[in-house]
Amino acid sequence: DTGVSQNPRHKITKRGQNVTFRCDPISEHNRLYWYRQTLGQGPEFLTYFQNEAQLEKSRLLSDRFSAERPKGSFSTLEIQRTEQGDSAMYLCASSLLTGPTNEKLFFGSGTQLSVL
Amino acid sequence: GESVGLHLPTLSVQEGDNSIINCAYSNSASDYFIWYKQESGKGPQFIIDIRSNMDKRQGQRVTVLLNKTVKHLSLQIAATQPGDSAVYFCAERLQGAQKLVFGQGTRLTINP
Repeated sequence: DTGVSQNPRHKITKRGQNVTFRCDPISEHNRLYWYRQTLGQGPEFLTYFQNEAQLEKSRLLSDRFSAERPKGSFSTLEIQRTEQGDSAMYLCASSLLTGPTNEKLFFGSGTQLSVL
Repeated sequence: GESVGLHLPTLSVQEGDNSIINCAYSNSASDYFIWYKQESGKGPQFIIDIRSNMDKRQGQRVTVLLNKTVKHLSLQIAATQPGDSAVYFCAERLQGAQKLVFGQGTRLTINP
């Protein structure tokens, strides 16, 4: 058990609907990452936060995607007007950055999104 | 560009044998590498990491080897057990970057 909690575990939605996922990182971890993973592929970076600041966003993150970490603890990832291509596992990871290099990411079990 | 790949998508070994999972990376500016294990329905689980100023690091039953000359990373698992069955990913981080770039993964199957 890595300690990163994601909810819900599974989400089935119809195309065009909005969905929101939640991630609770390991307590005291100052960095939080969102990744997306499709079947048979490695996770792809979406965005990350240091405390409450969103510091980097991937080009994969279209304007239909928005992520927040308002208090520097939990984070939400919202997808508006979902498309079938959004179907994937959405993974959250957290880490504690204490120096300029090296950080292990601890992943949650993910939210599996299916867009019908 | 940013690209981490694996030589073999699947690997089958006998229980008790040693396993070697390989990874080729393309960016010589990467300074940090990690191996993750992912079981079905779960998120990636950290196994071992290595910095670019090292060429070998050992953990419990696992060893990571880094060959910067040919940009090759390998994970050796000693005396494989059924619980080692999973997909294994290598990931790299570009120097100065803050994200990990993952490869496609290798599925390791342990035969009884």
